[in-house]
Amino acid sequence: DAGITQSPRHKVTETGTPVTLRCHQTENHRYMYWYRQDPGHGLRLIHYSYGVKDTDKGEVSDGYSVSRSKTEDFLLTLESATSSQTSVYFCAISEQTGIAGDQETQYFGPGTRLLVL
Amino acid sequence: GNSVTQMEGPVTLSEEAFLTINCTYTATGYPSLFWYVQYPGEGLQLLLKATKADDKGSNKGFEATYRKETTSFHLEKGSVQVSDSAVYFCALADSGAGSYQLTFGKGTKLSVIP
Repeated sequence: DAGITQSPRHKVTETGTPVTLRCHQTENHRYMYWYRQDPGHGLRLIHYSYGVKDTDKGEVSDGYSVSRSKTEDFLLTLESATSSQTSVYFCAISEQTGIAGDQETQYFGPGTRLLVL
Repeated sequence: GNSVTQMEGPVTLSEEAFLTINCTYTATGYPSLFWYVQYPGEGLQLLLKATKADDKGSNKGFEATYRKETTSFHLEKGSVQVSDSAVYFCALADSGAGSYQLTFGKGTKLSVIP
């Protein structure tokens, strides 16, 4: 299994409070991603990173920001949490090896379950 | 844009039954195709993949063939076990369009009963 951890694994917070989720990898992979999983929607990309301090928006980025100051850590921040951000959040990583299909192959962390009351 | 459509579940099968989960896709370039599996309470695990037309991905008795002519990547297993109960996601990455982002289907929940 890829060395990916997420913290916290569970969190309950109140509307309007800031929340930061952390993804940590030990694989030294260049690419990191944040997804949210909701019933009926599958997984949707929030933000991704293609290197230290290099990030870009995904499909559902509104209300979220990210930072990557080190290769191994990718932080997702909800500046002011809303009930619509109640979800399960997954981090993923991938690497460019030159072998066809490798860069597209993503490995996922265990997830963080967030409840916004 | 890119999209993935997979059969809606839930799917309930008896042990040793044959499994097919349909997946079709729309992509602007030349995508790689994936099946991921999610067991209860866990993250997604890569089950198999195929990177070009006519490739067959296989793992743990599961197979899927990349059919460009029908834009499909159906998942099959000849004899399911109770331990195969999980949610299965079809996904694509359209590297030909310059993006390695994954687009997922909505998932199909499989329950296998003894």
